[in-house]
Amino acid sequence: GEDVEQSLFLSVREGDSSVINCTYTDSSSTYLYWYKQEPGAGLQLLTYIFSNMDMKQDQRLTVLLNKKDKHLSLRIADTQTGDSAIYFCAETFNTNAGKSTFGDGTTLTVKP
Amino acid sequence: KAGVTQTPRYLIKTRGQQVTLSCSPISGHRSVSWYQQTPGQGLQFLFEYFSETQRNKGNFPGRFSGRQFSNSRSEMNVSTLELGDSALYLCASSLGQPSGNTIYFGEGSWLTVV
Repeated sequence: GEDVEQSLFLSVREGDSSVINCTYTDSSSTYLYWYKQEPGAGLQLLTYIFSNMDMKQDQRLTVLLNKKDKHLSLRIADTQTGDSAIYFCAETFNTNAGKSTFGDGTTLTVKP
Repeated sequence: KAGVTQTPRYLIKTRGQQVTLSCSPISGHRSVSWYQQTPGQGLQFLFEYFSETQRNKGNFPGRFSGRQFSNSRSEMNVSTLELGDSALYLCASSLGQPSGNTIYFGEGSWLTVV
């Protein structure tokens, strides 16, 4: 079945790296996403990775995918106070385009 | 390119009333999905429309319905509103194809039921 889990909270110091983790249960997922949600706003797509990739880097963001353990992580380098937000991991299946399953979100707090 | 646009952004309704929310997808996107976000339940998938047809449906009661028009714009309707329907309703659009399935969200419509 489909299930995506994330830890609920993460607190880091400004300038440090943040690592947000996510686990999923269905190995047939095709796309894995990271979204950012700031207070009062919708979800902003940060990055995504195809399930046949191990890593994707995009400026300060690095996504690592371990298919064997069904583990996805998002690393934010040089974390800034503006990175404080809720981060959602999501998966979508090739056979079910248009429907994504989301984790409950990780609230990242960046302390100055 | 304009993003996903949702209207209205904020609304207050009374129990028992009905509400219609609107979503304009990114130009060229044929898939529109709707999600409900609440503090207790997180992001829950409502339904997805592709080329005017409901293609996927989540586990919500029949009071929640939707439709999609020929220009891919979508509306969702909630009838006989309950207090528990208070939530942020998010619309998302994508190409809806396996090879181009990146999903983009609108800013959402905040519904408060009193």
